[in-house]
Amino acid sequence: EVQLVESGGGLVQPGGSLRLSCAASGFTFNKYWMNWIRQGPEKGLVWVSRINADGTNIGYADFVKGRFTISRDNARNTLYLQMSSLRVEDTAVYYCARNTDAWGRGTTVTVSS
Amino acid sequence: DVVMTQSPLSLPVTLGQPASISCRSSQSLVHSDGNIYLSWFQQRPGQSPRRLFYQLSIRDSGVPDRFSVSGSGTDFTLKISRVEAEDIGIYYCMQGTQWPLTFGGGTKVET
Repeated sequence: EVQLVESGGGLVQPGGSLRLSCAASGFTFNKYWMNWIRQGPEKGLVWVSRINADGTNIGYADFVKGRFTISRDNARNTLYLQMSSLRVEDTAVYYCARNTDAWGRGTTVTVSS
Repeated sequence: DVVMTQSPLSLPVTLGQPASISCRSSQSLVHSDGNIYLSWFQQRPGQSPRRLFYQLSIRDSGVPDRFSVSGSGTDFTLKISRVEAEDIGIYYCMQGTQWPLTFGGGTKVET
């Protein structure tokens, strides 16, 4: 069974940093593109970042460029999102997704003073 | 970026009756490889999104056949032939033809 389990969310002040993790199991992690997608409170889905299977092709939404860094450790079957210079508007549930066919339950990031 | 526009925003339904959701893209979703990278997702209350269809009309495993899709170019439709209680939730379309991936604003299907 495919499982994606996000962790690392929490409450952080504006300007602060967090690192999200996504532990993958039940499939060959190193063969899949992975995405981070977020959902603000009572809002829709917004794509944040992508990384290809070997980590050589990376992309970001304009609103996180220069602030967020996606990475993966294929030996540990884990996807990461390093978030810095966080803003109030980054408050959301962050989902990791295998391509877009399997999603985790999400981890909540709240940016507030 | 490709803008995805869904309608209606809210769709009151009667169980056992059909329902239809529209999704329109600001640009053609026909990729240079000839495929249309349009997907549909269902998000039940309190749950993560679940993909229903990808590449326009390929049904994901376990999706009931009361769900169907159609469309081409820039106009797409998700239909439920007979709404069941488990279909209540928010539905999103998403394009994957161009980066960044972009989602429609969602259609809330409610009784």
